[in-house]
Amino acid sequence: IAGITQAPTSQILAAGRRMTLRCTQDMRHNAMYWYRQDLGLGLRLIHYSNTAGTTGKGEVPDGYSVSRANTDDFPLTLASAVPSQTSVYFCASSDGQPTDTQYFGPGTRLTVL
Amino acid sequence: GQNIDQPTEMTATEGAIVQINCTYQTSGFNGLFWYQQHAGEAPTFLSYNVLDGLEEKGRFSSFLSRSKGYSYLLLKELQMKDSASYLCAVRDSNYQLIWGAGTKLIIKP
Repeated sequence: IAGITQAPTSQILAAGRRMTLRCTQDMRHNAMYWYRQDLGLGLRLIHYSNTAGTTGKGEVPDGYSVSRANTDDFPLTLASAVPSQTSVYFCASSDGQPTDTQYFGPGTRLTVL
Repeated sequence: GQNIDQPTEMTATEGAIVQINCTYQTSGFNGLFWYQQHAGEAPTFLSYNVLDGLEEKGRFSSFLSRSKGYSYLLLKELQMKDSASYLCAVRDSNYQLIWGAGTKLIIKP
């Protein structure tokens, strides 16, 4: 693989169910991010990780959790999905200095009914 | 609060030039990014500005004025494949990216 992969591509989920979105990168980037993108709004940061073993909360963390056991993987878990979590979820990683540019995975389209 | 403003939608003609503006009010400034996002796809990196002035990269150029909290993305010789949304993002004092809602650019033949 090259770059960032996300799984699943899309998912329809019943409210109250638990769901984990997977994200894997092979670029050896230290920092990784989870965003959600909703129509008419900018990308909003859910959680981030500056390096393996550490995580931090973004702008909209409620209802989501993350872990970073190693450099490559950064899964996002919805413990009990609600309809307001219907969105497109993007995982990203960044390349460090000097620009620390973020590169995005293809996204997961999640619908919670 | 932090705010990034971009026009919601713009229309331009194939072969022409278009300028997409972005104004920002953020807590601190550590660089401004432009991304392109085709419908149903991921954002892809276009340009980065951290100092005032113009950065040119082929048909695309990006300008920054930190004193005015203003940037623009200039697209020359427009092609149909340039139809996409263009996202402006500013890195704030916490080193997080604050994103605008994006400008949908429609190219007409």
